[in-house]
Amino acid sequence: EVQLVESGGGLVQPGRSLKLSCAASGFTFSNYDMAWVRQAPTKGLEWVASISTGGGNTYYRDSVKGRFTISRDNAKSTLYLQMDSLRSEDTATYYCARRTNLDAWGQGASVTVSS
Amino acid sequence: DIVMTQGALPNPVPSGESASITCQSSKSLLHSNGKTYLNWYLQRPGQSPQLLIYWMSTRASGVSDRFSGSGSGTDFTLKISSVEAEDVGVYYCQQFLEYPRTFGGGTKLELK
Repeated sequence: EVQLVESGGGLVQPGRSLKLSCAASGFTFSNYDMAWVRQAPTKGLEWVASISTGGGNTYYRDSVKGRFTISRDNAKSTLYLQMDSLRSEDTATYYCARRTNLDAWGQGASVTVSS
Repeated sequence: DIVMTQGALPNPVPSGESASITCQSSKSLLHSNGKTYLNWYLQRPGQSPQLLIYWMSTRASGVSDRFSGSGSGTDFTLKISSVEAEDVGVYYCQQFLEYPRTFGGGTKLELK
């Protein structure tokens, strides 16, 4: 069974950093592109970043470019999202998802940016 | 960025009736390879989203055949035949032709 389990969320002050992890199991992680998608409270879905199978290609939405870094450790079957210089507008549930088609999603990690 | 615009449903939808959700893209999602880069997702209340349809019209694994996707390069429809209680939630279309990937604003389906 495909499983994606996010961790690392929490309450953080504006300007501080947080690192999310997504542990994958049930499939060969290194064979799949991965992505982070977020959802602000009561809002819709918003793509954040994607990474290729080997990690050599990464893509970001403009509002997080230069602040967020997506990475992966294929040996550990784990996806990461390093979030720096956090802003209140980054408050959301962050989902990791598999493939370009986002065919599997984690349960989400809640990130609240507030003083 | 490609803008995705979704239509609303005349909620609530009577159980057993069909429902059609529309989605429009600001740019054609039809690639030169003949594939249309459009996905549909359902997010049930309190749950993570799940993939329903990819390449505009291909059902994802395990998805009921009551769900069907169709459209052209810029106008798309997700049809749900014989709506059931488990279909309640918010439906999203999403383009994956270009970065940034973009979603529609969502269409809520409520059951009568």
